[in-house]
Amino acid sequence: GAVVSQHPSRVICKSGTSVKIECRSLDFQATTMFWYRQFPKQSLMLMATSNEGSKATYEQGVEKDKFLINHASLTLSTLTVTSAHPEDSSFYICSASPANKRAEAFFGQGTRLTVV
Amino acid sequence: AQSVTQLGSHVSVSEGALVLLRCNYSSSVPPYLFWYVQYPNQGLQLLLKYTSAATLVKGINGFEAEFKKSETSFHLTKPSAHMSDAAEYFCAVSDQAGTALIFGKGTTLSVSS
Repeated sequence: GAVVSQHPSRVICKSGTSVKIECRSLDFQATTMFWYRQFPKQSLMLMATSNEGSKATYEQGVEKDKFLINHASLTLSTLTVTSAHPEDSSFYICSASPANKRAEAFFGQGTRLTVV
Repeated sequence: AQSVTQLGSHVSVSEGALVLLRCNYSSSVPPYLFWYVQYPNQGLQLLLKYTSAATLVKGINGFEAEFKKSETSFHLTKPSAHMSDAAEYFCAVSDQAGTALIFGKGTTLSVSS
């Protein structure tokens, strides 16, 4: 149990376009999900906390108007990269925890975004 | 504030040798500690976690880690490395269940035959 699915796994887009990444909890409900970003050969950095039914909480330095987060249901959070630029190219990963395993984070497979 | 330090960005071992990946943390409260493994272009797989139970934690694939409060350490070990262990390893900490994790910079493990 506790499976988190992320889609797409890879996406290539042109500069100036927007890309939506989905994070789904398949077998549990998640009132909170987390979005991380990982640059090549680097660690994961928390971007934002996605809260079901309310606004996301962004970490310092993360542009909320560029990285739009929507958590419209208890099993789905989406991250939309708006007006993408090549420097937005990165690996984006989400995580969530079920209520009975809150001490453990379950991660999606990640999304490799390449902006050309 | 919490932080995680992984000593050694790259560790190389021979197949069959002991694996030791170091992790030190700082936290003002009893932490939750984790080790994750990541293969290229994939998500994170949990190896093991410490959540204030036994200080010696056994995980998957023969890995284990020992929580040492006096040393603020949570080093990851495996008695005998396999080629398939070659990957990126991340140590992470959180101070509450259900909160975001703070990750170390990662250690790349290389295994040679």
